[in-house]
Amino acid sequence: NAGVTQTPKFQVLKTGQSMTLQCAQDMNHEYMSWYRQDPGMGLRLIHYSVGAGITDQGEVPNGYNVSRSTTEDFPLRLLSAAPSQTSVYFCASRASGISNTQYFGPGTRLTVL
Amino acid sequence: KNEVEQSPQNLTAQEGEFITINCSYSVGISALHWLQQHPGGGIVSLFMLSSGKKKHGRLIATINIQEKHSSLHITASHPRDSAVYICAARGGSQGNLIFGKGTKLSVKP
Repeated sequence: NAGVTQTPKFQVLKTGQSMTLQCAQDMNHEYMSWYRQDPGMGLRLIHYSVGAGITDQGEVPNGYNVSRSTTEDFPLRLLSAAPSQTSVYFCASRASGISNTQYFGPGTRLTVL
Repeated sequence: KNEVEQSPQNLTAQEGEFITINCSYSVGISALHWLQQHPGGGIVSLFMLSSGKKKHGRLIATINIQEKHSSLHITASHPRDSAVYICAARGGSQGNLIFGKGTKLSVKP
């Protein structure tokens, strides 16, 4: 099993550009989520999904879109990048049921100039 | 006030020392997680507990539900334990995680 994979590892964007961060898992997990990690702050939830076709907003959803057309994939779209979106982004997944371990992807370091 | 507070923020120890990292939370939870993030950035789950105590090798995690407090202990610390340790509370109907800011541990040889 590859676990949770994310691409790209690094990305530099100019203000106003759009892009999609990819996330995939091969563990057949229902729950997937996206977080951002900024210096001096804990990880913050952007969006999450409890299954294919179901998504919901987390703590900091503005400027980001998600969709979940398959169980495996959960892409995060930046519609018009802003310098405030410079961060490290982590995708995670777990089996349904709130008592299950959460597995994290390796992260994507995004810089918006 | 943050819903999940960790202390200390930074910790430097000598190899072999016993280490304690504390986590307090103010929300109702179904489980408390301890995570480890190495300098390369990857995050791995160390423990998930809802009561009592768990042990894995030199790591021990405890939780006191009544006091809303958890501790992570590392016995006989080693330089390879140097990492950021993150506490996260799982709550709400969907079981989303609320994270502490992390404790940066540096173990000197």
